[in-house]
Amino acid sequence: GAGVSQSPRYKVAKRGQDVALRCDPISGHVSLFWYQQALGQGPEFLTYFQNEAQLDKSGLPSDRFFAERPEGSVSTLKIQRTQQEDSAVYLCASSLAGGFETQYFGPGTRLLVL
Amino acid sequence: AQSVTQPDIHITVSEGASLELRCNYSYGATPYLFWYVQSPGQGLQLLLKYFSGDTLVQGIKGFEAEFKRSQSSFNLRKPSVHWSDAAEYFCAVTENTGFQKLVFGTGTRLLVSP
Repeated sequence: GAGVSQSPRYKVAKRGQDVALRCDPISGHVSLFWYQQALGQGPEFLTYFQNEAQLDKSGLPSDRFFAERPEGSVSTLKIQRTQQEDSAVYLCASSLAGGFETQYFGPGTRLLVL
Repeated sequence: AQSVTQPDIHITVSEGASLELRCNYSYGATPYLFWYVQSPGQGLQLLLKYFSGDTLVQGIKGFEAEFKRSQSSFNLRKPSVHWSDAAEYFCAVTENTGFQKLVFGTGTRLLVSP
């Protein structure tokens, strides 16, 4: 079956541009997570959705980062006025429910801000 | 705050040899522990997880890990490494918040020599 998909896979942005990264979770998965993975580092939690509700956004680095999941399926991570330090791989994961169901990760979107 | 330490940045193992990747965590209560593998261009894949019970956990692809509370460790092992095991391995921990807010280590890159 289809896994988690993310688009675009690669994005080059000029500093100051806005970007939108899309995540299509596995169908029927209630929980959705965003992580940021800087070069040579492990992923870092950004935010968590249960259906359309954003229950935790404690990992978002600044108010330039915004995530939404309006219909409880597809999610978009938006970064406004991108900065060079935003360059990273952005990973999306989904799980069937909350609790400790296995998180299934997408391939990520590699963002390079010039 | 929780943290995970993976002291080895790179490890090289000969094909057919045994493997042990180290992971130490810092967390006050009983942690929930995970090992993920990340191959180039692929998403993170869960190898195994520990929540409670038997401290020796079996995972996919012939991997196992042992939870040792006294050493705050959760080392990953495999008795015989295959060339296809070359990848980046991440240890992660989460607390019991009702969902998996994963905290990852910085990863260990495994190289397999012929």
